[in-house]
Parts: sequence; C-alpha cells; structure tokens
Amino acid sequence: DARVTQTPRHKVTEMGQEVTMRCQPILGHNTVFWYRQTMMQGLELLAYFRNRAPLDDSGMPKDRFSAEMPDATLATLKIQPSEPRDSAVYFCASGDYRGGKQFFGPGTRLTVL
Amino acid sequence: RKEVEQDPGPFNVPEGATVAFNCTYSNSASQSFFWYRQDCRKEPKLLMSVYSSGNEDGRFTAQLNRASQYISLLIRDSKLSDSATYLCVVNNAGYSTLTFGKGTMLLVSP
Repeated sequence: DARVTQTPRHKVTEMGQEVTMRCQPILGHNTVFWYRQTMMQGLELLAYFRNRAPLDDSGMPKDRFSAEMPDATLATLKIQPSEPRDSAVYFCASGDYRGGKQFFGPGTRLTVL
Repeated sequence: RKEVEQDPGPFNVPEGATVAFNCTYSNSASQSFFWYRQDCRKEPKLLMSVYSSGNEDGRFTAQLNRASQYISLLIRDSKLSDSATYLCVVNNAGYSTLTFGKGTMLLVSP
C-alpha cells in the first residue's frame, strides 16, 4: 500500500534553531505539496512542486522558510531561524499529473520553544 | 468571504443517526470537489470525490449544487468510528492545488 512518508514525526526545538523536515512522496506522483495546520488557520498551503520544479511558494514566509526537491523521492522544508509561531503540524502530500486527489503523509509535529 | 466555509460543529449524534454537513465555496470556476476525513492527531484522508450528479459510497452520500456553490455530505447509520473532522475541499481552477475548509467535527456516541 503506497504511502507518503515524513520525518521526523515530532520535533521540539528552541527558537533560533534550524529545522529540516523531509518527505518521500508516493512513487509515480509528480506533484508534491507542503501544508501547515494550526487550530486557528486550518490547513494552509505553503508550497508545491511539479516534476521537482517549484510552482508556487507564495504561502511561505520567504525570509525563513525554504522548500526544495533535490530528487523525485525527496522533498524538504527548512525553517531557519525557527520561531515559536512556527509551532504547528506540517504535512506533505503528493498527487499525480491529473491533480485533484492528494495523499497526505503522517505529518511532522513541530514545537518551537 | 472565506474560500471554503464549513460549520465547525461539533455535531453530537447517537449511533445509528443520520447526519448531514454542508459547505459553501466562493470560486465559481472550481471543477473538482472532495470530502476528506481527519482523525484526531492524524493526517487528512480522502473520503470521497463529489460529482455533479451526486454520488454514494456505502453509508455516505455527497451532493454538489454548482448554482449555489454548495456541497453536502450525508452519513447514514452513524458508527462510533465515524467520529472525526470532515473537511470540505475544492480545487483551484486551472491549478493542481486544493483549498481546504477548516472542517466540521462529528462525535458519535453510544
């Protein structure tokens, strides 16, 4: 049963530290999405890639967040420096060329102290 | 106006009850519609797509009204395991991205 994997599942760090989150999309899916979920805002799209090329990262605070896809099996989301307001669950999702349905990973629960 | 609006609930129903959730969306050019389910502290999972003619999957029925930009989900014979948050999801026309509502929480009690 193919699924999206994410690491780490939990991360507690101190303000100012760098955080890197990793995602392995479902094999054959060419579109990868990064979301952030908080109680207040719900699910927010941060960035997405198609065929490894970034298509939209307008949802990301550019000064501290960066997203890359070094190869078809790995997407990364980096926060540097992290701040307490970044505390949230970060989900990666992947989908195929038709768009529409997306399949989510288990998320990384980030706490910045 | 929010892009996808849902009543946050919670909806508290007894086992066996029928419950309905509604959702409205603002982008009239949207073409694809979905219901996702999210269990507590888990990831969202696709429950079902929503088609213009309405569609059913077991105890679940989804309806779409394009004229009113309104989507519904009906759950019949509720089970304890149906307790979750149900997210209304709409695609962004011309893009591969989806906009998620904040969800409606359902609690089914014995």
